[in-house]
Amino acid sequence: AQSVTQPDIHITVSEGASLELRCNYSYGATPYLFWYVQSPGQGLQLLLKYFSGDTLVQGIKGFEAEFKRSQSSFNLRKPSVHWSDAAEYFCAVGAYSGAGSYQLTFGKGTKLSVIP
Amino acid sequence: DGGITQSPKYLFRKEGQNVTLSCEQNLNHDAMYWYRQDPGQGLRLIYYSQIVNDFQKGDIAEGYSVSREKKESFPLTVTSAQKNPTAFYLCASSIAGQGYEQYFGPGTRLTVT
Repeated sequence: AQSVTQPDIHITVSEGASLELRCNYSYGATPYLFWYVQSPGQGLQLLLKYFSGDTLVQGIKGFEAEFKRSQSSFNLRKPSVHWSDAAEYFCAVGAYSGAGSYQLTFGKGTKLSVIP
Repeated sequence: DGGITQSPKYLFRKEGQNVTLSCEQNLNHDAMYWYRQDPGQGLRLIYYSQIVNDFQKGDIAEGYSVSREKKESFPLTVTSAQKNPTAFYLCASSIAGQGYEQYFGPGTRLTVT
């Protein structure tokens, strides 16, 4: 079965500093990989996705992620964090679940705090 | 605008009562999903439906029930058998066969006391 690990429960960075959120996945085939962001009490917003091709993918709000097959990783990065980026971030893998359907498996999330 | 609506945003119930959470989508998606979110636990799949009048249990279906009578609607009932019902519930939808790309509603926070 597939799984996603986000090793960091909580990260604090200063505004303007760079950010990297880690994500490791376990899946037997080529994965579909996603990063979502969630503000408190809100739903999930898709930041970016990887299906195939270029291993560096660009997303919304200045975020990017790099797929590294050899490390089973899909880390999220941003060169300069803004106070509005404070939220919880979830990495997810989309895996085939049979009968023509796919499902998402989520990591437990990383909460990002931003110091002004 | 197309999207997913969940109502209400906050819901309070007494222990022992069943409660139904609403989820409506106008994205013309065939597949719909219910997740439960607890602090530090990520999202866990409760039930999903690939087509009208059909649904399957997810990882934590015990104490929950669903129906899918219309393409646009996928209500979730939290029954009195659910031992820890207080949580944040998220509904999502996707194109059939593309469940790896899901669109999420704003969520309902259920508090049972």
